[in-house]
Amino acid sequence: GESVGLHLPTLSVQEGDNSIINCAYSNSASDYFIWYKQESGKGPQFIIDIRSNMDKRQGQRVTVLLNKTVKHLSLQIAATQPGDSAVYFCAEKSRGGKLIFGQGTELSVKP
Amino acid sequence: DTAVSQTPKYLVTQMGNDKSIKCEQNLGHDTMYWYKQDSKKFLKIMFSYNNKELIINETVPNRFSPKSPDKAHLNLHINSLELGDSAVYFCASSQGTGNNEQYFGPGTRLTVT
Repeated sequence: GESVGLHLPTLSVQEGDNSIINCAYSNSASDYFIWYKQESGKGPQFIIDIRSNMDKRQGQRVTVLLNKTVKHLSLQIAATQPGDSAVYFCAEKSRGGKLIFGQGTELSVKP
Repeated sequence: DTAVSQTPKYLVTQMGNDKSIKCEQNLGHDTMYWYKQDSKKFLKIMFSYNNKELIINETVPNRFSPKSPDKAHLNLHINSLELGDSAVYFCASSQGTGNNEQYFGPGTRLTVT
């Protein structure tokens, strides 16, 4: 069946360091991937997305990498700040299909 | 200015009761969703409506009945509440059903006692 999973459920980094959050997906037909950030008590918030015809996309302090060969997605956050502390979800979508969320990784930033 | 809003934010009720959660979006989107997030933060889609038409209906008990009176609203009614229904329910919306960002509401924390 379809599944999206994360390698690490928790990640602790020092303020100012770079963070890398990984995600594995199993549906090779998925052609759209999104990273969401969820702060405590709030709804998921869009960070960045990438389509399957790309392998890298950059935003402000964030970069998403897509490796279709091994069905792996990663989110890199540069110069991690305390405000980045949250649960991060990857999600995949196949054409016309539903969004399937991964387990989530809790990022904790130490000052 | 709230893009996707839900009411109530918290809902505490007893088993067997019937309750509703309301969702409204002011983004002009034509597609709306209901998601359930369990205690382990796992997010799973329940329903999706496009232009008031049901297009996704996951294996959700028929005690859950969504209703979309218009494109800007998607309500969720739950009959005969059970302990296992306790979760956070999120409404979301997007422009179309294609590969577009979904905007999430703040969530409704439902506790069934």
